[in-house]
Amino acid sequence: QSALTQPASVSGSPGQSITISCTGTSSDVGSYNLVSWYQQHPGKAPKLMIYEVSKRPSGVSNHFSGSKSGNTASLTISGLQAEDEADYYCCSYAGSSTLVFGGGTKLTVL
Amino acid sequence: EVQLVESGGGLVQPGRSLRLSCAASGFTFDDYAMHWVRQAPGKGLEWVSGISWNNSSIGYADSVKGRFTISRDNAKNSLYLLMNSLRAEDTALYFCARDRGVTVGNWFDSWGQGTLVTVSS
Repeated sequence: QSALTQPASVSGSPGQSITISCTGTSSDVGSYNLVSWYQQHPGKAPKLMIYEVSKRPSGVSNHFSGSKSGNTASLTISGLQAEDEADYYCCSYAGSSTLVFGGGTKLTVL
Repeated sequence: EVQLVESGGGLVQPGRSLRLSCAASGFTFDDYAMHWVRQAPGKGLEWVSGISWNNSSIGYADSVKGRFTISRDNAKNSLYLLMNSLRAEDTALYFCARDRGVTVGNWFDSWGQGTLVTVSS
């Protein structure tokens, strides 16, 4: 159960697009379409942003999108807004009733 | 409205035990698998354990396997985490989270606010 690999930080200006990668293995990300993404603002509980690789829950803005290729999943935020500044975590099912998170990425909106 | 309220955290000495609880309301508890996720101070999220709706599937992170035990009482709409042989590295905010499905391994669609566990002598 090794943590998924995410960049520690990314940044972008308002209106720009950014992509956060999440690299796992053939035992987790590569084997299941059960990748989810969470947004966490300081002092708050995480919030589900993407599930099943690319699906958005009701109420989540369509400027958030997800994808996957092989062992790497990605979260793209288009049209960056100040309120998007937060920590983002990916998570994948890893088999045998276990899940694994990524290390987290701090998004800074410049 | 879905509500998950954790309790039971506190300061505990290394090697001792602690039991966390999560009271669920606003939904049919036994229609969902449930999880514990923790976050050490200033660190990222770590999945700890999950349990299916009927206890048939249970999973643990390697870091807690053999020391922590997850359980649930569907009649009381409650989730529990018994933590034995606590270590300093178990110090974290422990979140209760609802799985989207009845089995472990989907995604977390609702979260509590967490209960803080501090392991220190």
